[in-house]
This record gives sequence, structure tokens and C-alpha cells, in this order.
Amino acid sequence: DQQVKQNSPSLSVQEGRISILNCDYTNSMFDYFLWYKKYPAEGPTFLISISSIKDKNEDGRFTVFLNKSAKHLSLHIVPSQPGDSAVYFCAASGRGQGAQKLVFGQGTRLTINP
Amino acid sequence: DAEITQSPRHKITETGRQVTLACHQTWNHNNMFWYRQDLGHGLRLIHYSYGVQDTNKGEVSDGYSVSRSNTEDLPLTLESAASSQTSVYFCASSDGSSPMGGGYEQYFGPGTRLTVT
Repeated sequence: DQQVKQNSPSLSVQEGRISILNCDYTNSMFDYFLWYKKYPAEGPTFLISISSIKDKNEDGRFTVFLNKSAKHLSLHIVPSQPGDSAVYFCAASGRGQGAQKLVFGQGTRLTINP
Repeated sequence: DAEITQSPRHKITETGRQVTLACHQTWNHNNMFWYRQDLGHGLRLIHYSYGVQDTNKGEVSDGYSVSRSNTEDLPLTLESAASSQTSVYFCASSDGSSPMGGGYEQYFGPGTRLTVT
């Protein structure tokens, strides 16, 4: 039972345009959401996060939007750059005991074309 | 600079052998985690620890074990390696403080690619 889903395995975007990566979750107890970026042969690195008390968080070119009623979050990258080509994972954590564990989606491979 | 390291980076072993993957962090983090990454599954949690002498099973713990004797290390042992355990393994750590202060952000090691033949 996949509690965090990234339904698009891959996404191709032209350099300079907006990249939108999507993530859906099923567990209403999730309280905190994170996005990670992963290059080949490296470990994932933290990108941006959002608490369930917010609906938007922005950090430079990266913005995460949270729609709790739809159980959906998205990552916007504007403008997209060649160095953004990577696999992106969304992750979620719950509350209370075990809240510090993360549940990851399957990942979306983003390719930025020059 | 603080870091998290994994060794070996690549390992080939035979079915039935015991294998131990090392993870060492210098962040002084309380929490440590082991994941495996497989195509189509993303990152799945194997075992995790919230402190010394504490260990817990994750989503895919069968065939794996961990022990936490100090803050810095969480070795992952495959008791009897199987071909289904061919994967890339990642270790991660977090300080476990308030999520609003970034305490839930996990820092990952570079990974170990394990092949079981």
C-alpha cells in the first residue's frame, strides 16, 4: 500500500520554463512534507519542506504547494536549469510516535533540455 | 565538516553469505535510518534507530538486522544474502528536534550498491 505516490516516472522540460512535479498521499495523519533531489551515484539531498499548517513555502527558485483537502503537493521550479536534471522524491512524516520516520514516493526523473 | 559515510561503496557477494554494510555519521544525530532503493519503489525503510540501544523495524525488515552501540554507527547486516536483496542501500541521519527547525530533515550517505549472485 503506497502511502505516498508520484505518478509520473519522468518529466522533460525546456530550460528556462517551469517544472512542476506532483505528489499524492493517502494518510491524513501526515503532518510534514519534504522534497529531496538525487543525482546518479549520490545520496538524496534535502531541497525544501512544508508543514501541514501552511499551503505554500518558497525558497529561491523552488516553491512547494500543499493542498490538504486533495492530499496533494507539488514542487515548482522556476526557471528550470540544466543542473536541475535529477530524480526528485517527495516524502512525508506523521505525528506522535514514529513521526520522525519518512515515507517516500517512487521518484520522478526530471530532465531539463537546453 | 560533519558528514555521513558508507562502506563499502560497492559489494558483490554470493547467496547465503552474511554481509554487513557500515554507516558512520559525525553529525552527532540521535536518529539513524537504513533504506533500500529499487526501481519503481523509491526509498523503502529497512530499520531505524532513535538512539543508542534503540532499534526498530521498518517497512521491509525481513532478512536484515541492525544494532546501535554508539551514536555514530548503525551497521546493517544481511543474515543470509538473497538475490532479492540486490539493491542500492542508503543510510541517513537526523537530529530529531522540532520539524519546524528542520529536525526531521534526513542527511543521506552516498549509498552502497550491493549485488547478490
